[in-house]
Amino acid sequence: DTAVSQTPKYLVTQMGNDKSIKCEQNLGHDTMYWYKQDSKKFLKIMFSYNNKELIINETVPNRFSPKSPDKAHLNLHINSLELGDSAVYFCASSQPGFTEAFFGQGTRLTVV
Amino acid sequence: AQSVTQLGSHVSVSEGALVLLRCNYSSSVPPYLFWYVQYPNQGLQLLLKYTTGATLVKGINGFEAEFKKSETSFHLTKPSAHMSDAAEYFCAVRSSGSARQLTFGSGTQLTVLP
Repeated sequence: DTAVSQTPKYLVTQMGNDKSIKCEQNLGHDTMYWYKQDSKKFLKIMFSYNNKELIINETVPNRFSPKSPDKAHLNLHINSLELGDSAVYFCASSQPGFTEAFFGQGTRLTVV
Repeated sequence: AQSVTQLGSHVSVSEGALVLLRCNYSSSVPPYLFWYVQYPNQGLQLLLKYTTGATLVKGINGFEAEFKKSETSFHLTKPSAHMSDAAEYFCAVRSSGSARQLTFGSGTQLTVLP
């Protein structure tokens, strides 16, 4: 069983489109995250949700909107996609106390 | 605020040689430290972690790391490199406060030469 799963794995889309990435975890964790990995492989936190409540919102354009329908899901919706949004987006989850984070396989977004 | 510095964006070793990947951290509180590995087109997999207790921690695939508070370091080592170790390695520190998250270093690409 996959602990943290993201869909799709690859996403190619045109500038200006709106797209969503879905994430689900079956670990029973309360906290979920979105990280962005840029072309130089640098990883940076974007958002964190704890039990459906937004607790971290880094400096991210308003075009990015996370949505957590329940504590097992954290989706990322991106409006008006730009070339600079091309990156790998990772979903992760952790338990209370955070002794480690579990990552999904990533979604490679390419904006053309 | 916590931060992590990984010295050497690229490290090459011969198969069978010692692997040493360097990580230094900055933290105002006792840190939780992690090493993650990323194989090509894969997600991040936890190699090992230091939370409290023993400062020498062992992880998967023969890797280990030692937490040295006096040097603010958490270097990753493996006695004998294998071709399958070729990957990107990330050191990370957990933030303090109520909003827990990982702050990553810039990564080290490990190449293993035959």
